Amino acid sequence: DAGVIQSPRHEVTEMGQEVTLRCKPISGHNSLFWYRQTMMRGLELLIYFNNNVPIDDSGMPEDRFSAKMPNASFSTLKIQPSEPRDSAVYFCASRKTGNQPQHFGDGTRLSIL
Amino acid sequence: TQLLEQSPQFLSIQEGENLTVYCNSSSVFSSLQWYRQEPGEGPVLLVTVVTGGEVKKLKRLTFQFGDARKDSSLHITAAQTGDTGLYLCADVQDNAGNMLTFGGGTRLMVKP
Repeated sequence: DAGVIQSPRHEVTEMGQEVTLRCKPISGHNSLFWYRQTMMRGLELLIYFNNNVPIDDSGMPEDRFSAKMPNASFSTLKIQPSEPRDSAVYFCASRKTGNQPQHFGDGTRLSIL
Repeated sequence: TQLLEQSPQFLSIQEGENLTVYCNSSSVFSSLQWYRQEPGEGPVLLVTVVTGGEVKKLKRLTFQFGDARKDSSLHITAAQTGDTGLYLCADVQDNAGNMLTFGGGTRLMVKP
């Protein structure tokens, strides 16, 4: 079975540009999570959705960050405008409701110059 | 705000050696998960511990949960090069298992 699929795997762009990260959760999973991982702050939960509805976005750093889940098989995390301090690896994870673990994608390594 | 501290931050050992890494919290864990993350990949769940004093084994890995549920350890016996990776502990802060707070991790390198 396919796991969580993230794209792109790597993104390098200049500050001020809009960045869009994409995630396809595992089919049948109804919760989706966006995380950010840096050396300084470790792995942090940014936002999560249940049944396509955002439930907790308290981890979203600021208004430059936004996330959407238009349907059960697709989510985006957008940064506009991007800044060098946004450089990190961004992970998407999904899980099925119940006593089920979160399954992580392989991440998008984002570099803002 | 709960703080999760993992120690050591870095560990480099020879194949065949034993090791223990630790996860400590400033407050009581609801339940605790251990993950392993390999370079270029996302974390993968190894185990969940719930009850104080609980011990779980996964082949050469032994996980212990402190009696007071404020600390946990992971012991690896006869480490192999395939054990190399970042080991993360995470507090599961809600009953649904959605809100995870991760520690900073222990980066383990096992040399042949």
